[in-house]
Amino acid sequence: AQSVTQLDSQVPVFEEAPVELRCNYSSSVSVYLFWYVQYPNQGLQLLLKYLSGSTLVESINGFEAEFNKSQTSFHLRKPSVHISDTAEYFCAVSGGATNKLIFGTGTLLAVQP
Amino acid sequence: GAGVSQSPSNKVTEKGKDVELRCDPISGHTALYWYRQSLGQGLEFLIYFQGNSAPDKSGLPSDRFSAERTGGSVSTLTIQRTQQEDSAVYLCASSERTGHTEAFFGQGTRLTVV
Repeated sequence: AQSVTQLDSQVPVFEEAPVELRCNYSSSVSVYLFWYVQYPNQGLQLLLKYLSGSTLVESINGFEAEFNKSQTSFHLRKPSVHISDTAEYFCAVSGGATNKLIFGTGTLLAVQP
Repeated sequence: GAGVSQSPSNKVTEKGKDVELRCDPISGHTALYWYRQSLGQGLEFLIYFQGNSAPDKSGLPSDRFSAERTGGSVSTLTIQRTQQEDSAVYLCASSERTGHTEAFFGQGTRLTVV
C-alpha cells in the first residue's frame, strides 16, 4: 500500500531564508508525486507535480522539488521565502493498481518577518 | 460549473442524526475523491470514484459512512448516526482521471456534531 510521510508538522522560518519541507513516500510501483498548498482560509491547490522525465520540477512562484527514487523522497525547497508563502503544504502520491491520491499530514510553513 | 462545488458549506447537527454532504465535480471529470481534514490529521482519504464505481472504499471509517455517485457526476457522502468524532472538514476533489492528472478541490463542508 502507498503512504506519504511528512515528518515536520510545522516549520518556522524568517523571511528571505531558504526552506526545505520534507516528504517521503512508500510504494512498490511507479508513482506520481505532487505538492499541494492551502493558504489561510482557502482551498487546496496544486503547487507542482512529478510525473516522469526530469527529476527536478518547479512551480511558478519559485518552489522546486526533486524526485529521488533511491531515497523515496520528494522534498520541497525554496531558496528565499516570502511572508506570502505562509501556508500548509501537503505532499501527495498516486499510482499503482488503484491510482488513488494519498496525502501526507501536511507541514505548516510559518514565515516570520 | 467552473469549479468543484460542495454543499452545504457548514453543517451543525445533533449527535445521532444523519447528514448528507454533496459534491458537484467539474464537468467531464471522471474521477472524484472524498477526504476528511481534521486538525493535525492532514487529509484522510475516504473513498474515490471512477465514473460511478468506487474501486477503493478502504478509507471509510465505519459502516456509518457511505457514498454514491450518479450519472458520473454528483456525489453524496452520507454519515448515519453522527458522532462527535465525525466533526471535521469534508473535502471533495475531482480530476479528469485518476493517476497523473491534477485534482481540483472544493471549499469543503465543515461538519460540527454537537
